[in-house]
Amino acid sequence: GQQLNQSPQSMFIQEGEDVSMNCTSSSIFNTWLWYKQDPGEGPVLLIALYKAGELTSNGRLTAQFGITRKDSFLNISASIPSDVGIYFCAGKFTSGTYKYIFGTGTRLKVLA
Amino acid sequence: EAQVTQNPRYLITVTGKKLTVTCSQNMNHEYMSWYRQDPGLGLRQIYYSMNVEVTDKGDVPEGYKVSRKEKRNFPLILESPSPNQTSLYFCASRKGQNTGELFFGEGSRLTVL
Repeated sequence: GQQLNQSPQSMFIQEGEDVSMNCTSSSIFNTWLWYKQDPGEGPVLLIALYKAGELTSNGRLTAQFGITRKDSFLNISASIPSDVGIYFCAGKFTSGTYKYIFGTGTRLKVLA
Repeated sequence: EAQVTQNPRYLITVTGKKLTVTCSQNMNHEYMSWYRQDPGLGLRQIYYSMNVEVTDKGDVPEGYKVSRKEKRNFPLILESPSPNQTSLYFCASRKGQNTGELFFGEGSRLTVL
């Protein structure tokens, strides 16, 4: 099956630092989604993007839908310890299908 | 509270013993789907359903069955489980065609010995 290229795979950062991660694909999507998954729990939706070029914020999180519709990034500003977890992106194809493709995740660890 | 509920959350079984993982959502969502999550592979779609009595295969449907007799329920059936189906399974739902936002259950960790 298809997967999205998500990077970095993992990162350690100091509390207060900004974080950036991205996803790229060879396919065009009409929706990009960003999720956070804590251990033992299901993924929780952070941000949904529906238009090329769209930039959307949710508190300290900002995500953008790439102009080419093949990529997206997520930024976390001023990280805090509770930001620890796995973040992953998901893309939904255009017209006619209801399939979602997921990135393999970025494991974030925040050092206090 | 709006939610997607899966049962069981944890299960250890043996090869060949049929099992069903239930999924129920209380949001009146049309679309539901099942995923498995394996280390290094991310979430892969098993089956999805666009509405009652409408189901289709995802990327990894082999060894699984689903049914959608009611809007709120979408059970995942493993007729003859094998060890390679040991995984973390997630059910998800979505309101309709014009929204892409998937809401996930808490997951069901299945071990097949």
